[in-house]
Formats: sequence, C-alpha cells, structure tokens
Amino acid sequence: GENVEQHPSTLSVQEGDSAVIKCTYSDSASNYFPWYKQELGKRPQLIIDIRSNVGEKKDQRIAVTLNKTAKHFSLHITETQPEDSAVYFCAARGDTGRRALTFGSGTRLQVQP
Amino acid sequence: DVKVTQSSRYLVKRTGEKVFLECVQDMDHENMFWYRQDPGLGLRLIYFSYDVKMKEKGDIPEGYSVSREKKERFSLILESASTNQTSMYLCASRPRRAEAFFGQGTRLTVV
Repeated sequence: GENVEQHPSTLSVQEGDSAVIKCTYSDSASNYFPWYKQELGKRPQLIIDIRSNVGEKKDQRIAVTLNKTAKHFSLHITETQPEDSAVYFCAARGDTGRRALTFGSGTRLQVQP
Repeated sequence: DVKVTQSSRYLVKRTGEKVFLECVQDMDHENMFWYRQDPGLGLRLIYFSYDVKMKEKGDIPEGYSVSREKKERFSLILESASTNQTSMYLCASRPRRAEAFFGQGTRLTVV
C-alpha cells in the first residue's frame, strides 16, 4: 500500500519568514495530494490540494508543488503569521481501488511573534 | 456547510468493555472513514466504507470492527477495549472525487 513520509516533525520560524514542509510517497498510482491543518483541539481542515496533472498550485500565502518523477510534494507558507501555528499533515490517494487518504506523520509548525 | 458529527468528545472506558463510537454526516457522502491519531504517527486508517453495508480494512484494523447500516452513519466498534486503544479517533466523510471532511474527534481513554 501507500506510504507517506513527512519532514520535519517540528518547525519553528519567526513571524514573516517562510516555512516549507516536505513529503514523499511510495505509490506511483497516487494522484491526489491534499494538505490539512489541525489547530490545537480542533479537527483537521483542508487548506490546499493538488492533483497529479498539475505541478504547482497557489492560494494566497500558501503553495504546493508536486514532482511526480521524484514522488515528492511540498507545502510552502510565505509571510508566516502566529495564526499559522498548527500541525500540518500531508496525504496521498489514488483514484482507483482504495479510496482512503494515507497521511504523513505531521509537522508541528510554531511561528514566533 | 458540511457537518460530520461524532457522538462523544471524550470517553473513558474500562479494559474489556465493548465500545461504540458513532459518526454521522449530513451531506449524503458515499465514503466514510475511521482514523486514529497518535503523536508522531499521524492519522492511521482503521476502516473505511464506500457504500452502505460495504467496508474495507485500513492499515490497523486489528481489535476493531465497523458497521454502516445507513448511508449517513458509520460506527466504529472496539470489541474488547484495551489500554493500547487509548487514542484520538477521527471520523471523516467525502463524496466521490472531493476533499474529506473530519469530525471533531473522540478522545478515548481505556483504563
């Protein structure tokens, strides 16, 4: 089955700096890659996703890049703010057969004011 | 607004008890999932269901079973709770080709 590795496990940045979280996946059939943000005590919520026919997607301060050949994808947050502090999870899924997301182990991002 | 609701926010059960965790969604989604979340391990899939009465094992199904008698409801059952099942349990649902929506989670403690 699919295996998703996520790095780093913790990340501390100064407000205004950029943050990058990286994930690799094992199943070349995976074609959907969402990122979820989980604030303390709350449910995970989708912040951005990308499909395999696209190399990059941007939404305001958040961007995701995908390299299908290398089987890795990354989340980029620019101009970080204290409210970006949370745990971020990457995930991967294929469209055929299994319909469940496989998640990475999570990255705890701390933005220092 | 999509609503995925889990029946309990916090639950304390004794070792050996049979435990039911309920999840209800109000958006007619075909797919429903149960994950457990543990520090450093991310979200691990226990079971999922892609239709009424249909279920598939995830990565860690041992010690768990599920029931989906109606489309909107997906139940996770711990046949005989053990202390290593102490965890945060998250239910999710999604339509065919769209994002997954999570419930608020149930923190289960088995003593």
